[in-house]
Amino acid sequence: KQEVTQIPAALSVPEGENLVLNCSFTDSAIYNLQWFRQDPGKGLTSLLLIQSSQREQTSGRLNASLDKSSGRSTLYIAASQPGDSATYLCAVTDSNYQLIWGAGTKLIIKP
Amino acid sequence: ETGVTQSPTHLIKTRGQQVTLRCSSQSGHNTVSWYQQALGQGPQFIFQYYREEENGRGNFPPRFSGLQFPNYSSELNVNALELDDSALYLCASSLGPTSAEETQYFGPGTRLLVL
Repeated sequence: KQEVTQIPAALSVPEGENLVLNCSFTDSAIYNLQWFRQDPGKGLTSLLLIQSSQREQTSGRLNASLDKSSGRSTLYIAASQPGDSATYLCAVTDSNYQLIWGAGTKLIIKP
Repeated sequence: ETGVTQSPTHLIKTRGQQVTLRCSSQSGHNTVSWYQQALGQGPQFIFQYYREEENGRGNFPPRFSGLQFPNYSSELNVNALELDDSALYLCASSLGPTSAEETQYFGPGTRLLVL
């Protein structure tokens, strides 16, 4: 059974710092991995989608990597801003084409 | 804004009652997926509809059922509510039949409290 774990559960850093969020999964048989952002009252927003054959994806200040063999992904946020404060979730598409989610990392960027 | 809307935003029910949650997908999106997110947890997949037919289901009992309509709206129905059904319910729409392979657009969710 696929399980997705995100560490840390919460993170607070000063504005301007670069930071890394971690995601691990137990079964390497995945189709893709996605990173989402969740803001209170606004639902989930897809940030990056990495196909199983890819190693990384970049969008602006965000860079996500995928190491399928070790069951790990990282989300790198450069030059953090207060507007980056949110909960970040990763999810993998398993062999049944279902999204299996981690519990998220709550990120606070202090001005 | 994703163009996906959900109603109501909040709802309070008592144990044993029935509830209907509604979602309006982005125009042209043929797939709608429903998720349950308990407090402090990631979402859990309930089921998915493609062109008005259920084409995927997670580990939820039959008292969770759904409908999708030709006008890109859909419903999640939950019968015989239990206390553990208290959660945020999210719907997401996407273009193709396999939502997990492409970008899904999420609504803001309906927060359900069962007393």
